[in-house]
Amino acid sequence: GNSVTQMEGPVTLSEEAFLTINCTYTATGYPSLFWYVQYPGEGLQLLLKATKADDKGSNKGFEATYRKETTSFHLEKGSVQVSDSAVYFCALTLTSGSARQLTFGSGTQLTVLP
Amino acid sequence: DTGVSQNPRHKITKRGQNVTFRCDPISEHNRLYWYRQTLGQGPEFLTYFQNEAQLEKSRLLSDRFSAERPKGSFSTLEIQRTEQGDSAMYLCASSLGQGVNEQYFGPGTRLTVT
Repeated sequence: GNSVTQMEGPVTLSEEAFLTINCTYTATGYPSLFWYVQYPGEGLQLLLKATKADDKGSNKGFEATYRKETTSFHLEKGSVQVSDSAVYFCALTLTSGSARQLTFGSGTQLTVLP
Repeated sequence: DTGVSQNPRHKITKRGQNVTFRCDPISEHNRLYWYRQTLGQGPEFLTYFQNEAQLEKSRLLSDRFSAERPKGSFSTLEIQRTEQGDSAMYLCASSLGQGVNEQYFGPGTRLTVT
């Protein structure tokens, strides 16, 4: 089956620190990959996506590169802000099949301290 | 606001009672998904609709759960004879069903069964 494994949290960083959240996946087909973010008290928001190998998704200073050879999609940001404190979810969906439901990792809680 | 909306946002019920949640998707989206999220975990797929047709159900969706999407617009998720294990956040998402099939999530309904 399909699965997503994220690095264990929580992660606590100081403002302006470099962020990496690891994500690896297994998939029965050829997936599209996503990072979603959940701010306190809010719903899941799509942060970025990549649909094929070597694609780089980016948004709000966050980046992730689809690495087929290592089945990874690590999230990075060069300089985090307090406002980036949230839970981050890596997810995949297959590009074939009818439902195309998302399969999520367990999430990584990020806290950025001023 | 043209995003996905869900009602109610919170529901507290006693074990054995029935509850119903509503989801209003983004208007032009023909796909609608229900997920369940428990504390510290990523969302798990429950079921999905293409227009008014319910096309896939997860094994997580026991016989006590039923979902409808009359006329292919809003959807309802009903849980009969609630159990304490049903306590979770119930998320709704919608998508166009084309291309990458990006899913947009509502704020969720938090169910607490006492």
